[in-house]
Amino acid sequence: TQLLEQSPQFLSIQEGENLTVYCNSSSVFSSLQWYRQEPGEGPVLLVTVVTGGEVKKLKRLTFQFGDARKDSSLHITAAQTGDTGLYLCAGDLSSGSARQLTFGSGTQLTVLP
Amino acid sequence: GAVVSQHPSRVICKSGTSVKIECRSLDFQATTMFWYRQFPKQSLMLMATSNEGSKATYEQGVEKDKFLINHASLTLSTLTVTSAHPEDSSFYICSARVIRQRPTEAFFGQGTRLTVV
Repeated sequence: TQLLEQSPQFLSIQEGENLTVYCNSSSVFSSLQWYRQEPGEGPVLLVTVVTGGEVKKLKRLTFQFGDARKDSSLHITAAQTGDTGLYLCAGDLSSGSARQLTFGSGTQLTVLP
Repeated sequence: GAVVSQHPSRVICKSGTSVKIECRSLDFQATTMFWYRQFPKQSLMLMATSNEGSKATYEQGVEKDKFLINHASLTLSTLTVTSAHPEDSSFYICSARVIRQRPTEAFFGQGTRLTVV
């Protein structure tokens, strides 16, 4: 059973469209991070959210942490082909070891020209 | 952000040989490093947690005698795939965290594509 469920698992959209990726859990996280990974490379950190209800913006990307710190979303406005990649959410369990990140199942995004 | 360097980025080896992958934290000390395996278009699967100066902690189902981890210093962890077989072919990624920092962000190496022929 995946502790962090991401949806959708695969997403293919046209350039210019908007999209939202969800990251859900029944557990509470002290912090949650979003990464983007391109083929053949390691994940690159996009953002870290810490406070319940927090919203962070990174250009066309908007990240939200749920009030109860159990879920998060990533919204991309006017997607570009350069946004293509594997998006991963990962979090620190409030009740778990501070060392180990829990990774979501991943969302493979393809933006078509 | 912090830099983690992983080497080599690609390696092809013959079945039965061993391969060593290095993971270095370049501008910070990492008391803990993590090794992941990743299959195409899937998320990262934690293999083991590498602790400086002590034995690694392996996840369930990961053979510790096959995937040898050594974390001899605060900036270097190595993963050795022993007696490699074609089914060991995969993308291996290391990660390091600055544990004393909150939130404890993870920084990843570039990954190593292992192909066993």
